[in-house]
Amino acid sequence: GQNIDQPTEMTATEGAIVQINCTYQTSGFNGLFWYQQHAGEAPTFLSYNVLDGLEEKGRFSSFLSRSKGYSYLLLKELQMKDSASYLCAARDSNYQLIWGAGTKLIIKP
Amino acid sequence: ETGVTQTPRHLVMGMTNKKSLKCEQHLGHNAMYWYKQSAKKPLELMFVYNFKEQTENNSVPSRFSPECPNSSHLFLHLHTLQPEDSALYLCASSQDGGGNQETQYFGPGTRLLVL
Repeated sequence: GQNIDQPTEMTATEGAIVQINCTYQTSGFNGLFWYQQHAGEAPTFLSYNVLDGLEEKGRFSSFLSRSKGYSYLLLKELQMKDSASYLCAARDSNYQLIWGAGTKLIIKP
Repeated sequence: ETGVTQTPRHLVMGMTNKKSLKCEQHLGHNAMYWYKQSAKKPLELMFVYNFKEQTENNSVPSRFSPECPNSSHLFLHLHTLQPEDSALYLCASSQDGGGNQETQYFGPGTRLLVL
């Protein structure tokens, strides 16, 4: 079956760095997405990786290793507003998105 | 960001009621999606419409009935729901429902409570 695993919850300190891991098992692979979702709001697109390596976008970076079925989202210089859920989703060979349950990130002062 | 709007934002209904959720996208996209989001569970894809044609129905119970009159509007008609249907219902749109870099853009969701 197809599956996405990511930690349920993480806690980090304001100003620090946090890495949210995601492992995936899909029938074929056509890219991996990260979304941010604040409580009660829409998921918003953060990043997309289809090739191995690191994609940097400001304070956020996303890494992909296709051979390992693994991705991570790296958040630097954490701010209180980064408290949210982070959703990992992999696209399979039919271009269907397979979603993880999300990682709730709690930022403490 | 008002690219995808959903109404109502909150809905409480009894099991015998009939209600409809509305989604509108202002992004010029051709594909629209309904998802169900329950606490601590992955997003569940319910329906996909591409150029107004339904291309995906993930074994959704018939008490959920989608309607897509045009590429900008999507409805989800609800009738005789069960308490376990209480969840956040998210609408999303994308350029054309396929392609390698298709990104889905989400609305804020309708928080549904079935009593």
